[in-house]
Parts: sequence; C-alpha cells; structure tokens
Amino acid sequence: GAVVSQHPSWVICKSGTSVKIECRSLDFQATTMFWYRQFPKQSLMLMATSNEGSKATYEQGVEKDKFLINHASLTLSTLTVTSAHPEDSSFYICSARVAELSTDTQYFGPGTRLTVL
Amino acid sequence: GENVEQHPSTLSVQEGDSAVIKCTYSDSASNYFPWYKQELGKRPQLIIDIRSNVGEKKDQRIAVTLNKTAKHFSLHITETQPEDSAVYFCAASYNDMRFGAGTRLTVKP
Repeated sequence: GAVVSQHPSWVICKSGTSVKIECRSLDFQATTMFWYRQFPKQSLMLMATSNEGSKATYEQGVEKDKFLINHASLTLSTLTVTSAHPEDSSFYICSARVAELSTDTQYFGPGTRLTVL
Repeated sequence: GENVEQHPSTLSVQEGDSAVIKCTYSDSASNYFPWYKQELGKRPQLIIDIRSNVGEKKDQRIAVTLNKTAKHFSLHITETQPEDSAVYFCAASYNDMRFGAGTRLTVKP
C-alpha cells in the first residue's frame, strides 16, 4: 500500500516559537494532502486541504496565518505552526490521497506529537 | 458541510462475540465511507471501506453495510479477539473526509 511519512514524530518547543512538520508521500504522487489535529481521546479534526501548487483550503475556525501550509511538490506538504502556544499542543496527522477521485483512499502519516511549553 | 455521527462511544464485548458500530452522515453527496482503526499514539489504519455504489462489503471477520437512502453505514466485526481492541473511526468523504467521534472497543478475553 501507499506509504506516508511525517517528520518529526515528536517535538517539544517553547511558547512563541515556530515548528515545521513535514508530510511526504514516499511511493506515490499526491496532488492532495490533508492536515488533521487530534486532541487526546478525541476524533481527527480536519484543519486544511492542501493541493499541490495552490493555496490550501482551511476549515472554519482554523487560522491560516497561524497554521501555514505549503504543498510545493507532489510528494511534500509542510505545516508550520507559528508562534506556538500551549493550547496548540496536539497530535498532528497528515494524509495523502493517491489520486484525484474523492472515492480514493487516504493514507495517513504516523503523526507528530507537538508539545508547547 | 458533512457531519458524521458515530455510536456507541464505547463498546465492550466478550471475546468471540460480535461488535457493531453505527454511523450516520448528513451530506448526500458523500460517496466514500472508510473505517479506520487507531491504536494509542499510532496513525489510523484503514481496515475496510465502501463506496456508494455498493451496499455491503466483507473482508474475513469485518463487514460494512451502507444504506444510502437512510444515510447510515455500519461496521460489523465477528468473532472478536483481544487484538481488535482499539478506537474505531468511521468517515464520510466527498471532496474531503470527515470523521465520526470514534468508538473505543474493548474485547475481554
């Protein structure tokens, strides 16, 4: 099956700093990648949809200036949490869709656990 | 937008029994319905999916049914085993995927 990697797997940072998370599709090209946030014992909440070569589409309530998304190539999307605060601490997971069809499977990365002190 | 509801939130069964998790969705345009299993601290793993042109799909001990008219779909796990214990999420997708709240399944030996 398709493999999606994420880096780093965990990060601890000080309040006010920025953190970049990378999501890569290793064995396929992904025109669309998705970023989710998952708080403990909760479901995955879609933050934004990232399309290669265009601006990301953010969900309502997600600040685009705080969560910067770049999808510069067909195998890489990045999420930058700017000026992180303790309430941004969460499990961030990306996923990638193999093809354009909405009925195609999304494969998830292993997630990045962000802790903001 | 799409809204997915999932029940129950927790489910405890005895090993060997069956487990059923139900989801409803609101957007009739949704055409893809995957089920994911997530263990603590790990990524969601796709266990089965169904597309809107199919009413039922089975893969060994796991089956999914879809009722498009009623806008609900269900996951059935038969002959449950302790290793089936995890959180299960349903999802509905058209252009993007929305998840249910999850069901914590515990299979007691």
